[in-house]
Amino acid sequence: IAGITQAPTSQILAAGRRMTLRCTQDMRHNAMYWYRQDLGLGLRLIHYSNTAGTTGKGEVPDGYSVSRANTDDFPLTLASAVPSQTSVYFCASSDGPGANVLTFGAGSRLTVL
Amino acid sequence: GQNIDQPTEMTATEGAIVQINCTYQTSGFNGLFWYQQHAGEAPTFLSYNVLDGLEEKGRFSSFLSRSKGYSYLLLKELQMKDSASYLCAHMDSNYQLIWGAGTKLIIKP
Repeated sequence: IAGITQAPTSQILAAGRRMTLRCTQDMRHNAMYWYRQDLGLGLRLIHYSNTAGTTGKGEVPDGYSVSRANTDDFPLTLASAVPSQTSVYFCASSDGPGANVLTFGAGSRLTVL
Repeated sequence: GQNIDQPTEMTATEGAIVQINCTYQTSGFNGLFWYQQHAGEAPTFLSYNVLDGLEEKGRFSSFLSRSKGYSYLLLKELQMKDSASYLCAHMDSNYQLIWGAGTKLIIKP
């Protein structure tokens, strides 16, 4: 089934630890995105990539990094996790920047203690 | 600045009609989107409006007025499975999506 796979589904992490959230898509979409979703707030863009080999900062990039070595994979890394990074993280993709429809992964629930 | 507002929660009855409003302020506009998100799941695309007017898609319709910075999502013949959050988002001049906090719709029998 075509779509986006995120891992892990859920994780509890001690503050200060490094964590990588994985995201893989099989739709050959050019653009990929990482959002965080917190109660009472809209989805907020962390980082994006318009095409393989390029990345850009979104609305809330601090404390996060990404890489886009190929079309399919777009991992998000928390170098040193803090409690404010407790959230649900969604990876998404689209045909290209400005394309109408985003396809989302199932989400990764991260708790930082 | 950019801002987007929608009600936090709405309640409706199975079989009825409900309208979820969304207002936005933006310095540039490239479309208005509605997504549905069931609890614990990913958002899924419902509709896209870039021109003024009503777009109808089965039981769901979406309306846009660019001059008023206003959109609504109309859900007819409500079913229990329509209980979900409905997310409004507009695409700004940089083709980035600005999201509202979502409207939680509760359907009662």
